[in-house]
Amino acid sequence: AQSVTQPDIHITVSEGASLELRCNYSYGATPYLFWYVQSPGQGLQLLLKYFSGDTLVQGIKGFEAEFKRSQSSFNLRKPSVHWSDAAEYFCAVGAWQAGTALIFGKGTTLSVSS
Amino acid sequence: DVKVTQSSRYLVKRTGEKVFLECVQDMDHENMFWYRQDPGLGLRLIYFSYDVKMKEKGDIPEGYSVSREKKERFSLILESASTNQTSMYLCASSRQGLGTEAFFGQGTRLTVV
Repeated sequence: AQSVTQPDIHITVSEGASLELRCNYSYGATPYLFWYVQSPGQGLQLLLKYFSGDTLVQGIKGFEAEFKRSQSSFNLRKPSVHWSDAAEYFCAVGAWQAGTALIFGKGTTLSVSS
Repeated sequence: DVKVTQSSRYLVKRTGEKVFLECVQDMDHENMFWYRQDPGLGLRLIYFSYDVKMKEKGDIPEGYSVSREKKERFSLILESASTNQTSMYLCASSRQGLGTEAFFGQGTRLTVV
């Protein structure tokens, strides 16, 4: 069955430091992969997505993610974190056939210290 | 921009009440979804719909039903609200097709007392 694992429940990073959030997926074919961000009390906003092609994808707010098929991973990175990046981040695997829904990981909460 | 609008940001209901959560999208998307979000559990799919009057159960459909009479509107119904249904409810929509991204509403924080 398709699944998504985010191993880190909570991460604290100093402002200006680099960030990497981990995501591992279980999927039988080429996956469609997404990262979403949720600020407190808000809905989810798409950061970036991977469908095919270049395995390094760029997103909004300075985020990027790298698809590694051999490791079944799609880790999210940012070279320099800002205090406004504090939020909850969700990795998701997309619909593998028409009429199916995104499957989400349990999320990673990012705190930014000054 | 795609807009998914949930009718209420906050709701407080009593145990046993029938509760309607409404969601409207303005991008003519075929798919609509209801997720429930709880701390430590992430987003869990309750129901989704890929066409008018069509619905599919998600991972946790018990205690819920849905209605989709028009393409732009997808309603979640709690037939008899219980305290364990206190949660954040998120509606989303997407185009039909493989791997399409979902667009989310702001969420409804439901408290059942």
